[in-house]
Amino acid sequence: GQQLNQSPQSMFIQEGEDVSMNCTSSSIFNTWLWYKQDPGEGPVLLIALYKAGELTSNGRLTAQFGITRKDSFLNISASIPSDVGIYFCAGRRANTGANSKLTFGKGITLSVRP
Amino acid sequence: NAGVTQTPKFQVLKTGQSMTLQCAQDMNHNSMYWYRQDPGMGLRLIYYSASEGTTDKGEVPNGYNVSRLNKREFSLRLESAAPSQTSVYFCASSEFGTGSVHFGDGTRLSIL
Repeated sequence: GQQLNQSPQSMFIQEGEDVSMNCTSSSIFNTWLWYKQDPGEGPVLLIALYKAGELTSNGRLTAQFGITRKDSFLNISASIPSDVGIYFCAGRRANTGANSKLTFGKGITLSVRP
Repeated sequence: NAGVTQTPKFQVLKTGQSMTLQCAQDMNHNSMYWYRQDPGMGLRLIYYSASEGTTDKGEVPNGYNVSRLNKREFSLRLESAAPSQTSVYFCASSEFGTGSVHFGDGTRLSIL
């Protein structure tokens, strides 16, 4: 099936640094979602984006819906140890119905060094 | 404030045994999903139910069956478990027509 591209698979940063992740596809999406998964738990929704160009913040997290509708970005500012986890992007493709299935990226594992 | 509840949280099976994973949501969502998560593979959709009374195959349906028992409950059954089905299984739900999907905490299944 259609996959969203997230790379690299792992990222290592120093506490206090900012980090950016992106998610790309060859298809157009009309919804972009960013999830975080802590060890032993299910993914939790961080930010949802519904309009091209939309920029949305949730605390230290900011995400943008790309103008081309083929990508999205997540930025974490001033990272802290509890930011450790797996970050997934997910999207709904355009023109596939109001209740179409989500497509997920493979996730980026973020490690934060104290 | 339970959201999506999955049972059991952990299970070990022998090859060939059968098992049903249970899922219930209390958010009055129309749509429910079963995913599996394997290292390096992300989340792959097994089956989904867009609304009560309907079910459809996802990306990796082979070896599984599902039942949408009512609006709240969506179960996943392994009729004859195989080692390749060792995985973490997530149930999820969403409101019809919106983007966000809410996940349970997962069932960790090992098949020996």
